[in-house]
Amino acid sequence: QKEVEQDPGPLSVPEGAIVSLNCTYSNSAFQYFMWYRQYSRKGPELLMYTYSSGNKEDGRFTAQVDKSSKYISLFIRDSQPSDSATYLCATKSGGSNYKLTFGKGTLLTVNP
Amino acid sequence: DTAVSQTPKYLVTQMGNDKSIKCEQNLGHDTMYWYKQDSKKFLKIMFSYNNKELIINETVPNRFSPKSPDKAHLNLHINSLELGDSAVYFCASSQVRWGSGANVLTFGAGSRLTVL
Repeated sequence: QKEVEQDPGPLSVPEGAIVSLNCTYSNSAFQYFMWYRQYSRKGPELLMYTYSSGNKEDGRFTAQVDKSSKYISLFIRDSQPSDSATYLCATKSGGSNYKLTFGKGTLLTVNP
Repeated sequence: DTAVSQTPKYLVTQMGNDKSIKCEQNLGHDTMYWYKQDSKKFLKIMFSYNNKELIINETVPNRFSPKSPDKAHLNLHINSLELGDSAVYFCASSQVRWGSGANVLTFGAGSRLTVL
C-alpha cells in the first residue's frame, strides 16, 4: 500500500462549483499535511499546510485533516477557471524529518 | 528574481549519454532536493542535501549522482541515460525550523528530460 493515496481524476467541473479533493494516508506518524498546486509545465507551489487534525481556511480554499480516519481534504468554493491545475497532497512526520511524501495528484479542470 | 532556478529547462538526448542539470536558490535556505516527476505526475524524492551534506538518498540507480558545492547550489549528473530516465526533474529548497517540524518546499520550474 502506498503511503499516500490520491485519486488522479481527472475532475472536470463548471465554474462556480464546489470542488472536493481527497487523499488518504497510512502512516500514523504523519503530522504535517500540505496541498500543492501545479499548473501545466510549472513547478508545484504550496497552497496550504496544516498541522495535525482540524480545518484551515484561506479565502476560497479550506484544508481539512481527520487523523482518526487518516483522511485529508481540500475544498475549493466558487471554483474559477484559474483553479485548473493538478493538486498534490503531501505529508510528513514531525521532528527533523525532511522527507515529504506526495500523493499522485488530481488534475482539475474548471470550465467557464 | 527567480527563487529556485534550474537549467536547462529542456533536455533531449540519446540513450547512453551523460547529462547534468543545475539548480540554484537565492532564498537562503539550508536544504535542497531533487524530485522526479513521471508521466503520471507522481512526484518522488531522489536526494536531499542539508548544508552540503547528503541527508536523503532514496533508492535511485547509482548512475544518478548529486553534488552540492555550497548550500545555494545542487546539481544532478546522470550517466548512461536510459529511456526510463525520461521525466521532469524538479529542484526544491526549504528552511527547516527546528522545533516547528514544518518543511515548506519551494520548487523550481522543472527540467524536462527526454531520452531517445
